[in-house]
Amino acid sequence: VQLAESGGGLVQPGGSLRLSCTASGFTFYGSAMYWVRQAPSKGLEWVARIWSDGGGISHADSVQGRFTISRDNAKDMLYLQMNNLRVEDTAVYYCVKDSEYAFDKWGQGSLVTVSS
Amino acid sequence: QSALTQPASVSGSPGQSLTISCTGTINDIGNSYLVSWYQQYPGKAPKLIIYGGTQRPSGISDRFSGSRSGNTASLTISGLQTEDEADYYCCSYTGRLSWVFGGGTRLAVL
Repeated sequence: VQLAESGGGLVQPGGSLRLSCTASGFTFYGSAMYWVRQAPSKGLEWVARIWSDGGGISHADSVQGRFTISRDNAKDMLYLQMNNLRVEDTAVYYCVKDSEYAFDKWGQGSLVTVSS
Repeated sequence: QSALTQPASVSGSPGQSLTISCTGTINDIGNSYLVSWYQQYPGKAPKLIIYGGTQRPSGISDRFSGSRSGNTASLTISGLQTEDEADYYCCSYTGRLSWVFGGGTRLAVL
């Protein structure tokens, strides 16, 4: 199983970014997927979840209405569109594969920094 | 949804057994067997070590075990080793299409 995030970087408050995750080594279309983030020197926070078929989408209250999770099973790709970014969204964002409602396999993470 | 409560730090000596607690509410741990635990080394991605409250993924040492009683879940590490020095996080599915993590516990092996 390999998960590789990309698309992170520095963005100003109110700006947008789209994170991508390239999946390989497993049956991507058969797996639910998540985004989990970790602010610098802080704990883990679940961000979003999507079922294997693209349904069952849910987002944490802290990002509801600003972030959108999506996937393209034909390309083995997971995405996180992040709009109206805030300073408190600064974190490492992990792409994670599901196993029985647990966060089974993790990518290496992509750093998103929101600052003026 | 408030974070689950874990001790900020714990410590033990090599060979000892140690338990990390994770306290939630009836809305998460108290109503869900879907508790998981993660080990994280500095600068690395977390690793799943317990799922379903008590199950170990393939390749995880049987020195790690999980349990749940009421609104509290626990991770026990037996035969403590220096390589166990890391941060540990608990997590619970809330049953409302969301997950909540604990604040994390730093384990020191003295």
